[in-house]
Amino acid sequence: GENVEQHPSTLSVQEGDSAVIKCTYSDSASNYFPWYKQELGKGPQLIIDIRSNVGEKKDQRIAVTLNKTAKHFSLHITETQPEDSAVYFCAASVGGKLIFGQGTELSVKP
Amino acid sequence: GAVVSQHPSRVICKSGTSVKIECRSLDFQATTMFWYRQFPKQSLMLMATSNEGSKATYEQGVEKDKFLINHASLTLSTLTVTSAHPEDSSFYICMAGVTSTDTQYFGPGTRLTVL
Repeated sequence: GENVEQHPSTLSVQEGDSAVIKCTYSDSASNYFPWYKQELGKGPQLIIDIRSNVGEKKDQRIAVTLNKTAKHFSLHITETQPEDSAVYFCAASVGGKLIFGQGTELSVKP
Repeated sequence: GAVVSQHPSRVICKSGTSVKIECRSLDFQATTMFWYRQFPKQSLMLMATSNEGSKATYEQGVEKDKFLINHASLTLSTLTVTSAHPEDSSFYICMAGVTSTDTQYFGPGTRLTVL
């Protein structure tokens, strides 16, 4: 089955800097790659997603890139703000079933 | 975006009792619902997948007799933790999916504490 690896597990950046989180997946049939932000005690919130027919997608300060050949995808957050501090999860989906990475705890220091 | 609700948001129960968690899609019909479990500081682990009107498909290692899933309608799925024990204490999150668009929406989660 699908296996998703996510790195780094923790990431600390200064406010205004960029943050990059990377994921790799194993199942070449995966065709949907969402990213979630989870704040303490809450459910995950979808922040951006990308499908397999697209290489890059951007939404304001957030962008995601996908390399299907290498089976990896990345989340890029620019101009980070303290409110971006949270745990971020990548996921890969085949047939609607999401398999998650291990999570990255992002800390943005003011 | 689509809204998924869960009830209750928090529950504390005694060991040996059963707890039912409801997951509802409020403004769309979910052809598939997924149940995840998340332990503190860990990732989300898929427990089972259910399609409306059919039996749930459980992931390896998940006891189907302990975690009963019912998906009676396109807007409601329930997870019942039977004979709960302290090790079942966790954050349970449902996700409702729309097969035609391959998009999924999470509920807010239910914090279960078994004493």
